[in-house]
Amino acid sequence: DAKTTQPPSMDCAEGRAANLPCNHSTISGNEYVYWYRQIHSQGPQYIIHGLKNNETNEMASLIITEDRKSSTLILPHATLRDTAVYYCIVRNSGGSNYKLTFGKGTLLTVNP
Amino acid sequence: GAVVSQHPSWVICKSGTSVKIECRSLDFQATTMFWYRQFPKQSLMLMATSNEGSKATYEQGVEKDKFLINHASLTLSTLTVTSAHPEDSSFYICSATSDSLNTEAFFGQGTRLTVV
Repeated sequence: DAKTTQPPSMDCAEGRAANLPCNHSTISGNEYVYWYRQIHSQGPQYIIHGLKNNETNEMASLIITEDRKSSTLILPHATLRDTAVYYCIVRNSGGSNYKLTFGKGTLLTVNP
Repeated sequence: GAVVSQHPSWVICKSGTSVKIECRSLDFQATTMFWYRQFPKQSLMLMATSNEGSKATYEQGVEKDKFLINHASLTLSTLTVTSAHPEDSSFYICSATSDSLNTEAFFGQGTRLTVV
């Protein structure tokens, strides 16, 4: 699976949009971009994933550049409960034998 | 989303004893389960992958005789830490996926193991 690079930490004011970047310059054509987050002392939580089109769900939006070498996770209105480590992971989709390889992620701190 | 439950949430055991951690998929059949370990301030490290009814595949550096994994049914996988030592103290997390769902992995809430 392709490697990803994320900033180690970011801060965001409560109520504002949080934009978390991820670089995946070695991504291959059949690899998806997945985002998970981990709140302290809990298991990771799935957020969103995409291949090349932008995606949106009730939690977040995922913007993938046209060359697919980077992406941005957007939390439109961050709350204090969004404080967590956010992991950007690139992997093949489909089939349950594809494991997730976690990097160090970005610690997002939402401030009041 | 699908629910994966781990038990116990935390456990304290004495050195030399064994501890069993359960991972259950509550509303789907998990054809594959993954076990991760996470030390403080570090990321999740994959320990092993288990498919129902077959032997687990361990990542390099993980002792298969120390970390026993059983995936006897489509809804239950267990991780047994044998002859636990203080350095085994960690946060253990399981995740589950399903061929039929062909979707993202769902994670348990984790088990905090402290070996004293």
